[in-house]
Amino acid sequence: KQEVTQIPAALSVPEGENLVLNCSFTDSAIYNLQWFRQDPGKGLTSLLLIQSSQREQTSGRLNASLDKSSGRSTLYIAASQPGDSATYLCAVRPRLLDNAGNMLTFGGGTRLMVKP
Amino acid sequence: NAGVTQTPKFRVLKTGQSMTLLCAQDMNHEYMYWYRQDPGMGLRLIHYSVGEGTTAKGEVPDGYNVSRLKKQNFLLGLESAAPSQTSVYFCASSYSLRQLTGELFFGEGSRLTVL
Repeated sequence: KQEVTQIPAALSVPEGENLVLNCSFTDSAIYNLQWFRQDPGKGLTSLLLIQSSQREQTSGRLNASLDKSSGRSTLYIAASQPGDSATYLCAVRPRLLDNAGNMLTFGGGTRLMVKP
Repeated sequence: NAGVTQTPKFRVLKTGQSMTLLCAQDMNHEYMYWYRQDPGMGLRLIHYSVGEGTTAKGEVPDGYNVSRLKKQNFLLGLESAAPSQTSVYFCASSYSLRQLTGELFFGEGSRLTVL
């Protein structure tokens, strides 16, 4: 059974710092990996999606990398801002041809606080 | 373009009552999902649908039923609510994997309290 772990569970940094969030998974047979942001009391907003054949994806100050063989993905946030404060979750979609390919596994999330 | 819309956003039920959560998406997505999010448990899949008229069980389906009579709507029903079903429920949708990447888009959530 796929297990997805995000460490640390919480992180506090000063504004302007570059930071890395980690996501590790136990089964490398994945279809893709998606990073989300969740603000308190809100739904999940998709940030980046990396297909299993890709190594990284970039959007603005965000860069996500994927190392399938080692079961790891990182989300790099450059020049962090207070508005980046939120919980960040990663989710892995398995590489399965049947409906089980819809059984995504989510990590527990990293709660980020960027202090002004 | 509203994306994924969930109603109601908040609901309080008594044990044994029934209710239905409605999810609507306007992105013409094939796949739709219902998740629940609980502290310390993360997001868990309840049921999902890969197309109109089809549904399948997820990780925690017991106590819930679903229907997908129209492509744009996915209903989650609780026939006899229990306190253990107190949670925040999220609907999500995506294109099929044959069409695109299967990127998930979420609704804002529905907070349900069962007394």
